[in-house]
Amino acid sequence: GNSVTQMEGPVTLSEEAFLTINCTYTATGYPSLFWYVQYPGEGLQLLLKATKADDKGSNKGFEATYRKETTSFHLEKGSVQVSDSAVYFCALMGSNFGNEKLTFGTGTRLTIIP
Amino acid sequence: EPEVTQTPSHQVTQMGQEVILRCVPISNHLYFYWYRQILGQKVEFLVSFYNNEISEKSEIFDDQFSVERPDGSNFTLKIRSTKLEDSAMYFCASEGVEDTQYFGPGTRLTVL
Repeated sequence: GNSVTQMEGPVTLSEEAFLTINCTYTATGYPSLFWYVQYPGEGLQLLLKATKADDKGSNKGFEATYRKETTSFHLEKGSVQVSDSAVYFCALMGSNFGNEKLTFGTGTRLTIIP
Repeated sequence: EPEVTQTPSHQVTQMGQEVILRCVPISNHLYFYWYRQILGQKVEFLVSFYNNEISEKSEIFDDQFSVERPDGSNFTLKIRSTKLEDSAMYFCASEGVEDTQYFGPGTRLTVL
């Protein structure tokens, strides 16, 4: 079955540091890949997505590139802010035909200190 | 911007009681989902729903669980006889034609 392996946390960085959160996946076929973010006390918000190999998703300074050869979708940001403190979830959808469940990684808690 | 809403935000119940969690998906979306997140753990799929029937369900979604779309706007999750281990955050999600699921803010269920 499908699975997502995500970098263990927690991760603590200083403001303006470079961020990488690793995510690798196992899937058959051609999955779509997502990063969701969960701010304290809130629900899941879509951060970015990519639906095919070599696509780059980007939003709010975050980026992730769908790498089929390494089955990876690592999240990066060049300069993090205190407001980026949250839990980040990598997720996979088995296909892009609709009506497919999401399979989530375990989440990575990110804390940015001023 | 359209959003998924869920009520209540927090539900406290006694073990063995029935609870109904409510969701209003984004209008014109076609696919609906329930997920849950036990405190500190990963988000787990429960059930998907399309065209007024269940498309897929997980092992968690046993006979104590049911879903319904009673009218054109609401989507409900019922737990018939709650157990302590049902305590979790329950998220509703909906999806349109763009193959992206949008989540509600969640209902925190506490079973005592």
